[in-house]
Amino acid sequence: DIQMTQSPSSLSASVGDRVTITCRASQNIKSYLSWYQQKPGKAPKLLIYAASSLQSGVPSRFSGSGSGTDFTLTISSLQPEDFATYSCQQSYSTPLTFGGGTKVGIK
Amino acid sequence: EVQLLESGGGLVQPGGSLKLSCAASGLTFDNYVMSWLRQAPGKGLEWVSAISGTGGATYYADSVRGRFTISRDNSNNLLYLQMNTLRAEDTALYYCAKVPPEARFAFYFDSWGQGTLVAVSS
Repeated sequence: DIQMTQSPSSLSASVGDRVTITCRASQNIKSYLSWYQQKPGKAPKLLIYAASSLQSGVPSRFSGSGSGTDFTLTISSLQPEDFATYSCQQSYSTPLTFGGGTKVGIK
Repeated sequence: EVQLLESGGGLVQPGGSLKLSCAASGLTFDNYVMSWLRQAPGKGLEWVSAISGTGGATYYADSVRGRFTISRDNSNNLLYLQMNTLRAEDTALYYCAKVPPEARFAFYFDSWGQGTLVAVSS
């Protein structure tokens, strides 16, 4: 199975901050990487697919980069509605696997 | 607008069975790979199973293979998960999710239901 490791597991930031979350795969997954946002009591929401493609309707302050084993989700200017947990997911092979999540909290 | 509505969750004893359903609307159901995922309380997301649009291909996580069976009824836009020999570690919120057409060979999920809770306890 491909292991997905996210860092940090949590962070505190202020509105307007630039936030970067990383995700590392245990083997080369090319660009088969997606990012999700999840708020408490809600279902996950797709933000980024194919490592850097922005899902329709997602604000442009979200961006993704990387390929192979190392990936990054960046929020260019954190907004109040962005405080949530973010998870990466590889779709290179089954079983599909997720990172452990990064909780973005208010500083 | 795509809507996915899960049902069938509940409290079951270890070793018991439960069948989850997901009713889909707002889409041509048989065009899409569908999947079940779960999230244990306070934990991360875990993929459980997926099924092709025709139902001819199924995929399972090792943790559920041989115990869970995914199926679909394309005439009624329904997705199912039959769960047998349930264990305490199967306790989770179970989500139904849709795979976009461009991801039919490398699954990610662009629409999710709100989930149905399964609790396995004596």
